[in-house]
Amino acid sequence: DSGVTQTPKHLITATGQRVTLRCSPRSGDLSVYWYQQSLDQGLQFLIHYYNGEERAKGNILERFSAQQFPDLHSELNLSSLELGDSALYFCASSVDGRGTEAFFGQGTRLTVV
Amino acid sequence: DAKTTQPPSMDCAEGRAANLPCNHSTISGNEYVYWYRQIHSQGPQYIIHGLKNNETNEMASLIITEDRKSSTLILPHATLRDTAVYYCSPVGVRSGGYQKVTFGIGTKLQVIP
Repeated sequence: DSGVTQTPKHLITATGQRVTLRCSPRSGDLSVYWYQQSLDQGLQFLIHYYNGEERAKGNILERFSAQQFPDLHSELNLSSLELGDSALYFCASSVDGRGTEAFFGQGTRLTVV
Repeated sequence: DAKTTQPPSMDCAEGRAANLPCNHSTISGNEYVYWYRQIHSQGPQYIIHGLKNNETNEMASLIITEDRKSSTLILPHATLRDTAVYYCSPVGVRSGGYQKVTFGIGTKLQVIP
């Protein structure tokens, strides 16, 4: 158990809909990272938050947005969903985001039908 | 960002050492080399990291060449539970002091009984 909690574990939704994925980092960790992993693909970095502020962005679509709240949990919002958005979405956390190891949650499997 | 090259797949006999190479010829001076692994579709797991010197922990050893352009992860006595995708990731502290952890396709290691 990494200490990072992601909810829900599974999500099935229709095209055009909007969903919110939630991540609770390990206790004391200030950094949260979001990744997307499509079938048989590597982990694509989406975005990094540190103590409530966005710090780095990867290949995140404009339809996707994220935020980190004062209690340090984070949400990834996906809107106008397309079939191609079906993937595993992972959240990771680290103590400070300055070169320390990241701990990953078990992911949310999103299926868009 | 530094690019990495890893063989897409490798086999290793159970009980033997597994040596997983990674080429990161464009790595910059302040970037660490991190290794993670992902078992099936679980969240990736941190294994080890290093900057210049070789490192060892309870899971693995990391050998980094003197020019830092490549590294090798060594699992000294591979077991069936080590079957996973192994990711090599250069991680640097960027301007503003924050890291972006990115992953390539990785190496799919199959441990054979």
